[in-house]
Order: sequence, then C-alpha cells, then structure tokens
Amino acid sequence: GESVGLHLPTLSVQEGDNSIINCAYSNSASDYFIWYKQESGKGPQFIIDIRSNMDKRQGQRVTVLLNKTVKHLSLQIAATQPGDSAVYFCAENMKDSSYKLIFGSGTRLLVRP
Amino acid sequence: EADIYQTPRYLVIGTGKKITLECSQTMGHDKMYWYQQDPGMELHLIHYSYGVNSTEKGDLSSESTVSRIRTEHFPLTLESARPSHTSQYLCASSETGVVTEAFFGQGTRLTVV
Repeated sequence: GESVGLHLPTLSVQEGDNSIINCAYSNSASDYFIWYKQESGKGPQFIIDIRSNMDKRQGQRVTVLLNKTVKHLSLQIAATQPGDSAVYFCAENMKDSSYKLIFGSGTRLLVRP
Repeated sequence: EADIYQTPRYLVIGTGKKITLECSQTMGHDKMYWYQQDPGMELHLIHYSYGVNSTEKGDLSSESTVSRIRTEHFPLTLESARPSHTSQYLCASSETGVVTEAFFGQGTRLTVV
C-alpha cells in the first residue's frame, strides 16, 4: 500500500558506546512523555517515561532528558549492546478533550559488534 | 508481559472483502487505540476509545471503523478492503489518566491483493 509519513533515520553505534536518540514533540501542553522500543515483528514496548515537571529521569542504562523550551526529548543508552538494536519512538500524551497517545518520528538504532 | 492480544497475526485477503481485526485486553483498561504502521515508518493513530460506547477518529484518516461494546474488546473493521489498506495495524490499551503507559499487542500485518 501507499506509505504514509517519513522513512526513519538510522543511528549506527559501536557496541559499548553510548547512544543518544532525539525526538521533537509537537504540543507544548503535553505533560507526559514515553520512550518505546520496537523490535522487528513486534509491537512497541515501554522503556522509560517522564512528566513535564521533570527535566531528567534515569532508569537502568537509560536516561531521558526533556527540554520544554524547545520541545525536545532525548533518550540516552549507556554501553549500547546488540540487543538494543531496534526502532525507538517517543510518544506524548496529548491533551485535547482528553488524553491520547501520539507518537513522534522514530529512529532505527543499529549496534555494530 | 502485557495481556493484550491481536488476531490474526497475518492476513492476506482479496480486494473488496470485508475484514475485522480483533483486539482484546484483560487488564481492564478503559482506553484503547489503533495505530497504522507501514514497514520502517512511523506509527499513526487512526482510532481511539475512552471506554464503552466511546470511539474517536485519530489523526490519520482511515476508511476503517471501530466499535467498543465491551471494555476488553476493540475490533477494527474494513468494509471493503483495497490494496492501499496493506499495512501493519497495532492495537494498544492504557489506564485512564495522564501518567499511563500504553501496552501494545503484537500487531496484525494485513496484505490486500
């Protein structure tokens, strides 16, 4: 079928290096953001989230940074491993009449052995 | 592992056929979503529901329709399939509220020939 949208950019990193994946979100009123990981043939899986009253949150090997001034979100992965190879999407819980989850453009992460 | 299921996983169907993609969740979530994703591309919200008897169209126009008669069930129907409907369809659910992650099914890959 006819494809809608943009092909995903690719980030290639060496195993063991740190990865930084960036995302721009659209709605300054959004107050909750999530990073998802999608492996081939699977649905997206939750990695880490952050509320708009925070600018940084850390998990296991992952850190999310939020810059509300420029509506920018980043995901940092420490000591990247081959199992981290996947497509990464940011999502915002966008408020209109209620809240709906809208995904930003994704990034394909390739980890070189 | 999330308790949300989609059937079928793969479907090849002829043009003009009516099809229903099934999605069920056992988590009691009020909010459910359908996303469309072409290979290597972004996720686009096509339908969402806040609860029983509540359905809304998403940001991407779609010729499909949905229903929400029961909390756990959110089927998507195409009355007359066309090759342009070929895509992957992902169902998700979440609790009501701002700070809630969405859980995804494995997806249905639809091919219309």
